[in-house]
Amino acid sequence: DAGVIQSPRHEVTEMGQEVTLRCKPISGHNSLFWYRQTMMRGLELLIYFNNNVPIDDSGMPEDRFSAKMPNASFSTLKIQPSEPRDSAVYFCASSNWGGRSTEAFFGQGTRLTVV
Amino acid sequence: GENVEQHPSTLSVQEGDSAVIKCTYSDSASNYFPWYKQELGKRPQLIIDIRSNVGEKKDQRIAVTLNKTAKHFSLHITETQPEDSAVYFCAASRDSGYALNFGKGTSLLVTP
Repeated sequence: DAGVIQSPRHEVTEMGQEVTLRCKPISGHNSLFWYRQTMMRGLELLIYFNNNVPIDDSGMPEDRFSAKMPNASFSTLKIQPSEPRDSAVYFCASSNWGGRSTEAFFGQGTRLTVV
Repeated sequence: GENVEQHPSTLSVQEGDSAVIKCTYSDSASNYFPWYKQELGKRPQLIIDIRSNVGEKKDQRIAVTLNKTAKHFSLHITETQPEDSAVYFCAASRDSGYALNFGKGTSLLVTP
């Protein structure tokens, strides 16, 4: 397996534009997590899904952020409209809930810059 | 929700010395405690984990200890090497079906 795949790796956008980040979890994993990493706040959990169902979205900063998981192999995190304070590295991670190992595997991350 | 505190935020040691990073957590229902290492510009990767039915776990130069009563756990790295330089994150969760809550990270620098 290629691991968790995120796209794009880098995104530079202007304030007010819509941004969509994409994630393909490891095949067979049934839990998917979106994290945001900044120097000030570290790794913050934004939202997570079990079996494609959102379980906890209390970490989503505000209504400008939304996430979907239409099927077991794909998830998106959308920011609309984007603001400079959204600049961060966004990580997607997946794990096998109920499996022998609950290790969370991270994707390479998307570095978002909003100017 | 779970709150994980991690100390110190930065740590500098000489090559060959030991390094210790400490974390506390707030949710008494947490029972899974992994440690992740993140090198500059890379993704966090699991280096060791421990579950609440175990007090200590060791893997070569790395060991983790857990005190459930006091709600704290620690990472110990012995015989440090320059390639150990990275940011280390502790985390806690209720295991299956729950997300990891991370500490703020410790930037470890090992100088030759």
